[in-house]
Amino acid sequence: EIVLTQSPGTLSLSPGERATLSCRASQSVDSYYLVWYQQKPNQAPRLLIYGASNRAIGIPDRFSGSGSGTDFTLTISRLDPEDFAVYYCQQFGSSLTFGGGTKVEIK
Amino acid sequence: QVQLQESGPGLVKASQTLSLICTVSGDSINSNEYYWTWIRQHPGEGLEWIGYVFASGSPYYNPSLKSPVTILIDTSKNQFSLEVTSVTAADTAVYYCARGVLGYYFDTSGPLYFDYWGQGALVSVSS
Repeated sequence: EIVLTQSPGTLSLSPGERATLSCRASQSVDSYYLVWYQQKPNQAPRLLIYGASNRAIGIPDRFSGSGSGTDFTLTISRLDPEDFAVYYCQQFGSSLTFGGGTKVEIK
Repeated sequence: QVQLQESGPGLVKASQTLSLICTVSGDSINSNEYYWTWIRQHPGEGLEWIGYVFASGSPYYNPSLKSPVTILIDTSKNQFSLEVTSVTAADTAVYYCARGVLGYYFDTSGPLYFDYWGQGALVSVSS
């Protein structure tokens, strides 16, 4: 099973700042299989990025995904107040796994 | 507009069976493009997939799960269901149903990613 480790656990930033979230895989993942979700309190997760770098429908262009192999990154170029949430990565390779999440909180 | 809605009891006694139904609207559950999936989230924790089912196939369950589960699909009602038997306090969680886009990994297939989710159903297990 591929383990996804997200870091940091919590990111404290101010609105307007840049957020960089990491998702590291225990073995190489084809970028086609790497996905990011956003989850706000008491809401279901929302698909942000699929195929490592493709924004889902309706996702603002301040969200971008990159990476390959074992290292993937979600970048929020300028944090909007509505972006403070928990972010999860997920992969579907040999099996389906989720990362443990990164919480982006207001500093 | 695709919508998924979970329904079922919010409180289940330990050792009994947890049953949830996901009703899908705006799409046919008979589609050959999606895996219909159950995912749960323990309080304050991350996401754990339970299992998924394709309209014309057998369900596939997370081998890491300790709880015995069954996922069934009812194409006539455009619904799929989840049963967790002999529940314990460890099964207390928010349960989500989700639509997974079909993907392939070599000779296997499964949900590549989840594009639509239900709002979630909190199920608590009481002693």
